[in-house]
Amino acid sequence: GAVVSQHPSWVICKSGTSVKIECRSLDFQATTMFWYRQFPKQSLMLMATSNEGSKATYEQGVEKDKFLINHASLTLSTLTVTSAHPEDSSFYICSAGPVPGEGYTFGSGTRLTVV
Amino acid sequence: AQTVTQSQPEMSVQEAETVTLSCTYDTSENNYYLFWYKQPPSRQMILVIRQEAYKQQNATENRFSVNFQKAAKSFSLKISDSQLGDTAMYFCAFHRVSRDDKIIFGKGTRLHILP
Repeated sequence: GAVVSQHPSWVICKSGTSVKIECRSLDFQATTMFWYRQFPKQSLMLMATSNEGSKATYEQGVEKDKFLINHASLTLSTLTVTSAHPEDSSFYICSAGPVPGEGYTFGSGTRLTVV
Repeated sequence: AQTVTQSQPEMSVQEAETVTLSCTYDTSENNYYLFWYKQPPSRQMILVIRQEAYKQQNATENRFSVNFQKAAKSFSLKISDSQLGDTAMYFCAFHRVSRDDKIIFGKGTRLHILP
């Protein structure tokens, strides 16, 4: 089945630094990937849709200059949290799927803690 | 805009019992998919079951089945013979098959299976 690998699984960084999270589709090509943010005991909030070879589409209220998304290949999308602050601490999850409507596969998530 | 509503924030049932999780949605689309995802304490999102809107037959996957009422825009999940491993957060999700292919999640139902 479709496998999505997300790395790192957890990261701690200092306030003001940048952190990059990778999302890879291992056995299929993904022209579209999605990035979500999840606060404790809450649902997944879609941050942006990552499109291979073009600019990402950000949801309303998401700062595109803070959350930089790059989808340079059909198997890799990255989310960079720039100038991270404690309020950016959260659980970030990516997803992708070989066939729309078949049900997207999710990465295992990245727990980001900004200190 | 599409919305997904899960009216039960939390539920508890005894092991081996049957439990039904409710979900309603709102859309003007005719072509879409509905999903139930499970998020156990590991926080890995797992697809439980999917339903195509154009299919009248309710989807089933082993102990999991849905009651899809398209006119009522209702999509409930029934778990039969519940097991301790079913303890998790369950999210109902709506997927509009369109250019953006976004998945919209409900707020989730936290399900506890009691021994």
